[in-house]
Amino acid sequence: ETGVTQSPTHLIKTRGQQVTLRCSSQSGHNTVSWYQQALGQGPQFIFQYYREEENGRGNFPPRFSGLQFPNYSSELNVNALELDDSALYLCASSFTGGAAYEQYFGPGTRLTVT
Amino acid sequence: AQKITQTQPGMFVQEKEAVTLDCTYDTSDPSYGLFWYKQPSSGEMIFLIYQGSYDQQNATEGRYSLNFQKARKSANLVISASQLGDSAMYFCAMREAPSGNEKLTFGTGTRLTIIP
Repeated sequence: ETGVTQSPTHLIKTRGQQVTLRCSSQSGHNTVSWYQQALGQGPQFIFQYYREEENGRGNFPPRFSGLQFPNYSSELNVNALELDDSALYLCASSFTGGAAYEQYFGPGTRLTVT
Repeated sequence: AQKITQTQPGMFVQEKEAVTLDCTYDTSDPSYGLFWYKQPSSGEMIFLIYQGSYDQQNATEGRYSLNFQKARKSANLVISASQLGDSAMYFCAMREAPSGNEKLTFGTGTRLTIIP
């Protein structure tokens, strides 16, 4: 079975720009969660997508938005980038209703906002 | 209040020794799950071990074991016979099942350095 993949690996953007990050879930998984990990901190939950709809959201402003596609892959979009958006963005794949321990992460996208 | 607390920002351990990484949690839900992840410098979050709140026995996965003390709300990770490759950040995380989603809440992590 294929693991969780994310693209791109690294990204440099300018303040005010918009960015799209992509995540492909592990084979057999139907849920994708996105996390932001600032330097030196633990990951913070942004939101989760299940059945192509947002299913839970953390304390992030509306300029963070997402999509889930019929093949369960997902996008994270961030508008009006701010310097504090510089972080590692992780997506996690799981199966809602399945084994509780299955929460597998991708390698992450490192975003730098200048 | 912090839901996941990791009180050890950094630890140095001699190779081949055992190491215990501390994690305490706070929840009022009777059903929850506890995870440990390893994050090397590459950034990927690697799943190590899981403990469900109703599991009767402590979880074990190879050299990893979870010392689950429910009454104390403690879920410490024990790594036996540490290796140089164990040097990384380690995160404890919790999933509270009644939320209806798969959200994980993470601690601030412990940086483990194995000394040859």
